Amino acid sequence: GDSVTQMEGPVTLSEEAFLTINCTYTATGYPSLFWYVQYPGEGLQLLLKATKADDKGSNKGFEATYRKETTSFHLEKGSVQVSDSAVYFCALSDGGGSNYKLTFGKGTLLTVNP
Amino acid sequence: GAGVSQSPRYKVAKRGQDVALRCDPISGHVSLFWYQQALGQGPEFLTYFQNEAQLDKSGLPSDRFFAERPEGSVSTLKIQRTQQEDSAVYLCASSVAAGTLNTEAFFGQGTRLTVV
Repeated sequence: GDSVTQMEGPVTLSEEAFLTINCTYTATGYPSLFWYVQYPGEGLQLLLKATKADDKGSNKGFEATYRKETTSFHLEKGSVQVSDSAVYFCALSDGGGSNYKLTFGKGTLLTVNP
Repeated sequence: GAGVSQSPRYKVAKRGQDVALRCDPISGHVSLFWYQQALGQGPEFLTYFQNEAQLDKSGLPSDRFFAERPEGSVSTLKIQRTQQEDSAVYLCASSVAAGTLNTEAFFGQGTRLTVV
C-alpha cells in the first residue's frame, strides 16, 4: 500500500537557518503530494502541494519539488523564523479511485530559536 | 462558522464506555473525513462522507467504530465499548469538492480521547 517516510525529528534550528525536511513516498500510480503544518494548539493546515512530477509547490517561503525519479518531496526554506516552529507532515493521495484519502508521514517537530 | 469545529476537545472515558465525537464542518462543504492520530504518529484515515453518503469506511479499525452524517452536515463518530488502544486524537476535515483533493481539506483541532 501507499506509505510516506519523513525525516525523524525533532529538528532544532536558529532563526535564519536553512531548513530541509526529507520526505519519500511509496505509491502506485501518480499520487499528489502535500505538506501540512500544525502550529501549537491549531488544526492541520495545508502548506503546499504538487500534483504531478517536477511540479514545485510553494507558500510562505517554503518550497518542495515533486521528484518522481527519487520518489521524494523534500520541504525546504531558506531562512526560518521563530514563527515557523510547528509539526510538519508530508502526505500523499493516490491518483486513482481513492484520491480523497490522505496518507501521512509521522510528522517532524521543528523548533526555531531566536 | 469560520472553520471546522470539533467537540469535545478533550474526552476521558473509562474502558468499556461508549463515546460520541462531534464534527461541524465548514458550511456547504460536500466532503467530510475522519482521521485517527495516535501519539507520535501521523493521522490515519478512518472514513469518508460525500454529503450524507458514507462512501468509504475502510479505515475504521473495528465494528465498535461507527460514523454518521445524516443530513449531510454535522457528523458524529461513535466508539462503543472503548478500549485503551482507542486513545488518540480524532481529527475531522472537510472540503468543498466531492471525491478529490484538488481542493483543500480543512482540519479541525481534533478531539483528544483518553481511555482509562
